[in-house]
Amino acid sequence: DAGVIQSPRHEVTEMGQEVTLRCKPISGHNSLFWYRQTMMRGLELLIYFNNNVPIDDSGMPEDRFSAKMPNASFSTLKIQPSEPRDSAVYFCASSPAYKGTYTGELFFGEGSRLTVL
Amino acid sequence: SQQGEEDPQALSIQEGENATMNCSYKTSINNLQWYRQNSGRGLVHLILIRSNEREKHSGRLRVTLDTSKKSSSLLITASRAADTASYFCATDAYYGGATNKLIFGTGTLLAVQP
Repeated sequence: DAGVIQSPRHEVTEMGQEVTLRCKPISGHNSLFWYRQTMMRGLELLIYFNNNVPIDDSGMPEDRFSAKMPNASFSTLKIQPSEPRDSAVYFCASSPAYKGTYTGELFFGEGSRLTVL
Repeated sequence: SQQGEEDPQALSIQEGENATMNCSYKTSINNLQWYRQNSGRGLVHLILIRSNEREKHSGRLRVTLDTSKKSSSLLITASRAADTASYFCATDAYYGGATNKLIFGTGTLLAVQP
């Protein structure tokens, strides 16, 4: 079975450029989460969707970040313009069991490692 | 910070020994989950324990939960070199905003020496 698929796995870009990270969740999962991992701040929840609808984006660091989920099989996280402090590993995860008041097991992708020079 | 705190930050043991990691958190939870992350890889779910459960087992893993102390522990018995990884606890709770969230702790780096 295919797991959560993220692309690109690695991205190196220059400050000011637009970055788009992509995620394909596991088929049948009703929720999707974007996390960011850095040494300094650990794993941070950026935004999550339930049935393609954004539920909480309070973790998105600033207006330069945006996320969309146009359908049940695809989500994007966009950073425009990118800055060196955005360098991190960005993880997408999906879950079959999110119910608004209960979060079950998350299935993570392998991550997208972003380096902004 | 909403994050749980894990203790120790790093742990080095010999193959065959048991490894115990602890997690403390600050708020009432629905459940607590443990994940493993191998270097350069995504996180893998290990076990979920609900707030009304006190202990749960899965293979060589044993998880306990003490909601009165807001703490949990993960025990890996008879460790193997392949258990070398970072281990994270995550708490599902209401942290403000629209709904519940799953927030991860700071992690414990486990090294199992062959």
